[in-house]
Amino acid sequence: SQQGEEDPQALSIQEGENATMNCSYKTSINNLQWYRQNSGRGLVHLILIRSNEREKHSGRLRVTLDTSKKSSSLLITASRAADTASYFCATGEYGNKLVFGAGTILRVKS
Amino acid sequence: GAVVSQHPSRVICKSGTSVKIECRSLDFQATTMFWYRQFPKQSLMLMATSNEGSKATYEQGVEKDKFLINHASLTLSTLTVTSAHPEDSSFYICSASSGTNYGYTFGSGTRLTVV
Repeated sequence: SQQGEEDPQALSIQEGENATMNCSYKTSINNLQWYRQNSGRGLVHLILIRSNEREKHSGRLRVTLDTSKKSSSLLITASRAADTASYFCATGEYGNKLVFGAGTILRVKS
Repeated sequence: GAVVSQHPSRVICKSGTSVKIECRSLDFQATTMFWYRQFPKQSLMLMATSNEGSKATYEQGVEKDKFLINHASLTLSTLTVTSAHPEDSSFYICSASSGTNYGYTFGSGTRLTVV
């Protein structure tokens, strides 16, 4: 089963612009992860944020977590054409299965 | 970093035949392997969870006799789609966990087309 919804379902922006994707989940969590998937490929782990963290950065990525609203956002700054991919949030307990959000398809036009 | 090798990347088979997909963890011991299915432009849906040396746990609605999962060693898990039908055509992805941290390593996926 899917954990929740992501919005937007699809996002098209120009290179250099920022891209923001949102994710909502239903149950209590210990952490939330973001993954990227290039078309027809496996998933690549981007970043993990723990439930006691509100914001985390990694390079051009910024993730926020609001446990009171059961939501998270992923911001990609100064986007590049190579950022074109699908992005998924996922929640899961230590060593256990991940439950994925519906995903956002990002297209960065050059 | 941790790598999971998944083969084949693409397979086309005839209806009624069986297809085996392999996932190998190359530089770590995968105590748990997860198998997902993904339809075009949709999210990943967990099919089953397997732990080395024990029977897989299937998600509700997934036919265990149709999707056979074997996790005979700490570095190899296989998914066999038996008596494949066109509706089984999908993208199948494995994910391995060593159980030592929150990291999950994904295979590169297998595109199955049943004709």
